[in-house]
Amino acid sequence: GEEVAQTPKHLVRGEGQKAKLYCAPIKGHSYVFWYQQVLKNEFKFLISFQNENVFDETGMPKERFSAKCLPNSPCSLEIQATKLEDSAVYFCASSQGDTQYFGPGTRLTVL
Amino acid sequence: QQQVKQSPQSLIVQKGGISIINCAYENTAFDYFPWYQQFPGKGPALLIAIRPDVSEKKEGRFTISFNKSAKQFSLHIMDSQPGDSATYFCAASKNGANNLFFGTGTRLTVIP
Repeated sequence: GEEVAQTPKHLVRGEGQKAKLYCAPIKGHSYVFWYQQVLKNEFKFLISFQNENVFDETGMPKERFSAKCLPNSPCSLEIQATKLEDSAVYFCASSQGDTQYFGPGTRLTVL
Repeated sequence: QQQVKQSPQSLIVQKGGISIINCAYENTAFDYFPWYQQFPGKGPALLIAIRPDVSEKKEGRFTISFNKSAKQFSLHIMDSQPGDSATYFCAASKNGANNLFFGTGTRLTVIP
């Protein structure tokens, strides 16, 4: 596709529950990035992939966060045992070169 | 540690005026500097980007000015329109394959 697609649009979880977010990058893009945007507008980088391989995971809270990009499947970001502070909008972006194209985001609310 | 600092936090401009947003960075390894526009409930969309080998880039009403020695860059929006009302983010990265470091955003309001 010509746009990055993210599902679901909204996700509500109770504290301690699992959350799984999906991202379909633009066809032909080799790089996928996940960012977290918290209420103060700050973007935090989480993880990036080059095709199905992890490229950079320096931003990932590894205890509870995991991500995958498998061939012929949407990429996913999973949060085990969600905490209140995980409430944010999660953006996926893809690129083939300099420009990163962002999806519409998934708003995660942890109650 | 904020790798890219952005100011002002908010900006109100009259229609037809010039909007100016400033950013500064510390890491001299950065070599790609995009500006993104974000509307409420939407993802950031690339507006314009520059590499440090040029001091200015213009696309329509949008211009990036880049000062490599001062490690600063700015976005100028000429003839600002109410439709330009959005949050603007500067960003920097080491190259296209690497993650973006974002500024904290500037909420622009253009009043008719």
